[in-house]
Amino acid sequence: GESVGLHLPTLSVQEGDNSIINCAYSNSASDYFIWYKQESGKGPQFIIDIRSNMDKRQGQRVTVLLNKTVKHLSLQIAATQPGDSAVYFCAENSNQGGKLIFGQGTELSVKP
Amino acid sequence: EAGVAQSPRYKIIEKRQSVAFWCNPISGHATLYWYQQILGQGPKLLIQFQNNGVVDDSQLPKDRFSAERLKGVDSTLKIQPAKLEDSAVYLCASSFQGYGNTIYFGEGSWLTVV
Repeated sequence: GESVGLHLPTLSVQEGDNSIINCAYSNSASDYFIWYKQESGKGPQFIIDIRSNMDKRQGQRVTVLLNKTVKHLSLQIAATQPGDSAVYFCAENSNQGGKLIFGQGTELSVKP
Repeated sequence: EAGVAQSPRYKIIEKRQSVAFWCNPISGHATLYWYQQILGQGPKLLIQFQNNGVVDDSQLPKDRFSAERLKGVDSTLKIQPAKLEDSAVYLCASSFQGYGNTIYFGEGSWLTVV
């Protein structure tokens, strides 16, 4: 069945370093991808999205890369800050049904 | 712009009791979602509404869960009777028109069944 998964469940980085969070998806019909940040006790917060007609999109300190050939998605966070500590989820969406499917999540821990 | 509002934030009930969660989406958002998030996992869609109609309820345990959005705005999710495995965060979310539109989440309603 369709699924979205993450390569690493936890990631620990030093403050100021760049972070890379990876995600694999298996539904080739997925054409819209979203990254969410979830802090403890809060709901998921939209970070950035990308559509399948793009392979890169940049936001403020964040960049999402999409490789449709290998069905891989990554989130890059530049100059990681303690406030970036959270669980990060990738999610995929397809216009065949429109259901948003989440992966398990990666916990990012930023060391001062 | 006000976000997605949910209540109550926390609820503890005994198994076999009932509970109801309320959600008010962002103004103007036609699509409303209820997700269940078990600790350590990603959110799982329970039901999706477009205005007051159900778009997808394929993963809603209909023998105990029900949801409604009678006037196409607020929504209520009910669990009756609750089981221990229903302990989770129930997230309400909304988007302008569904697929391809940003989905915004509320803070969630934390349910513990004892």
